[in-house]
Amino acid sequence: NAGVTQTPKFQVLKTGQSMTLQCAQDMNHEYMSWYRQDPGMGLRLIHYSVGAGITDQGEVPNGYNVSRSTTEDFPLRLLSAAPSQTSVYFCASSPGRDNSPLHFGNGTRLTVT
Amino acid sequence: AQKVTQAQTEISVVEKEDVTLDCVYETRDTTYYLFWYKQPPSGELVFLIRRNSFDEQNEISGRYSWNFQKSTSSFNFTITASQVVDSAVYFCALRGYNDMRFGAGTRLTVKP
Repeated sequence: NAGVTQTPKFQVLKTGQSMTLQCAQDMNHEYMSWYRQDPGMGLRLIHYSVGAGITDQGEVPNGYNVSRSTTEDFPLRLLSAAPSQTSVYFCASSPGRDNSPLHFGNGTRLTVT
Repeated sequence: AQKVTQAQTEISVVEKEDVTLDCVYETRDTTYYLFWYKQPPSGELVFLIRRNSFDEQNEISGRYSWNFQKSTSSFNFTITASQVVDSAVYFCALRGYNDMRFGAGTRLTVKP
């Protein structure tokens, strides 16, 4: 099983560029979410989705857009990259919003210069 | 809003010592779920344990045990007889109705 697949693994952007981080899961999970991990700050929720066609903001949504047109895919778009968005990004999914744990991808390390 | 606090930033122990990682949470949801995750140096996030808000029974699973106390909003995690391979960052997480929030993490170093 592939689980949660994130691409790319590494990315370097210049300030002002835009890009999309891809996330796909093959477990038919309804719930998907994006986190960013910065030193000393743990994992902070950017956006989440409880099902296809439904998305909502997390703790730190500014500068990011998401869409959920299918159950499998949940891309994260950086509209105009800023150095403050340098981080490690994790996508995660779970069957529902209950006690099922999140399954995480392996992360994308993004550097904005 | 939900909040998870892990007051211990870093802990260092010698192998075979027991170590407890503290977690305090805040939520207005009446039903919620608590989790512990491990992030080894390789960077992946690994699910360890979970507890439902309506089940305060504490459990032991191998070298892991956890103490959930609703009255103090705490969900502490203990590793018994620590090993070098336990060295990692440990995250406590709280899932409410909509989303899952994480604490800042505790970096555990187990020295041989």
